[in-house]
Formats: sequence, structure tokens, C-alpha cells
Amino acid sequence: DTAVSQTPKYLVTQMGNDKSIKCEQNLGHDTMYWYKQDSKKFLKIMFSYNNKELIINETVPNRFSPKSPDKAHLNLHINSLELGDSAVYFCASSQDNSFWENTGELFFGEGSRLTVL
Amino acid sequence: AQKITQTQPGMFVQEKEAVTLDCTYDTSDPSYGLFWYKQPSSGEMIFLIYQGSYDQQNATEGRYSLNFQKARKSANLVISASQLGDSAMYFCAMCLQGGSEKLVFGKGTKLTVNP
Repeated sequence: DTAVSQTPKYLVTQMGNDKSIKCEQNLGHDTMYWYKQDSKKFLKIMFSYNNKELIINETVPNRFSPKSPDKAHLNLHINSLELGDSAVYFCASSQDNSFWENTGELFFGEGSRLTVL
Repeated sequence: AQKITQTQPGMFVQEKEAVTLDCTYDTSDPSYGLFWYKQPSSGEMIFLIYQGSYDQQNATEGRYSLNFQKARKSANLVISASQLGDSAMYFCAMCLQGGSEKLVFGKGTKLTVNP
């Protein structure tokens, strides 16, 4: 079973549309994240949720709205898509305090490649 | 603010040789964790190794070792006996203890292993 799964893996859409990317983790982790990887491969955190509560919002435009219906899911909804939103979006999860009590591993999904035309 | 710098956009190594990927970091916080991730061309992110700022010994995981020099604020990844399958992007990352639980990534180094 995939630990962190994202759907869809590929998404091609027109500018101005609204789209969602779903993420689910079956690891029992408390914390989930969304990262954006741009065309230059730079990975930057967007959001972090702990037990369904938003704890990090890194100056992401309001068009991006994460939703966590439960601690195993963190979905990303994007309104009014722009060309610059084209990127690979990674969902990830970690145990609460895992960076210090365990090996510190962040478990990533396989990424969702969004292309805005 | 914490910052991670990887100065080598690309590196080449011959199969079976060792290679060092550089990473320097900047933080005034005494407690932090350093990580290396591998991203093959297939796109997934694979955790390789972790080093805590208070760990006395350098971390090792199989062919991966982290050369941690705290005074220099460097956390270089050493891959021994390179294999063709090691060709990938490698990302160094840092997390601060007690702060928001997020990894801040460097810009990555693309490693190519030549046969």
C-alpha cells in the first residue's frame, strides 16, 4: 500500500480554471504538508497541517486553499489558475515531533504535475 | 531565517568512485536537523539520511554518510562506491527544533554517474 498517495498524478488545464489535488496518508501521521517544486527543481513549503489545523502558511496566494477533512487527508484546491502555477506539487506527512524523536523522515507522495496552458 | 545552500548545480562521478555533495546552512538556532533527499528522474522524493545538531557522530546509512562540520555549518553528503542508479537530484534540507515543523530545502545538485 502506498504510504502517501496523491491524485491526480498529472493535470493539464487552462488558465482561469479551478482544480484540486487530493492527498491521503495511511501512516497514522499527525502532520501533513504541501510543497511546490518549480521548473528549476526548487522545493518550497506551502502549507502544513497538524491534526486538521493549519500551522504553516508560507505566503501562498489566496487562490490556494488547503482543506483537511481529517488528519489522514490534506487536499489542495487552486482557484483561477495562472501560468506560474505550473509545477509539481508534493504532499508529505510526518509523525508529530518526528524530526526529533525518530529519524526525521518526511514521507512524500509521488507528486502531482500541474500544467497550466 | 534559516537558509540552505547547495553550490553545485551538477556533479559527475565515475561508477564505483566516491562523491561529495556540498551543503552549507545558516541558522542562529542551536537545535536543528539536517536531511538529505534523493529525487530520481521518476520524481519521487526519497529520504537518505538525517543528522541532528547535537549528534556527536556523523550519520551513516549504508553507502551514504553525512560529513557534519558544525563550526563550518556544513553538512556534505558522501556517497561511496557510486552506482548508476545514484544518478538523480539530491536535496539538502534543514528543520529547526521547536519552530514550525517544516523542512527548508536547498536548490539541489544533479548527480550523474558515468559508467
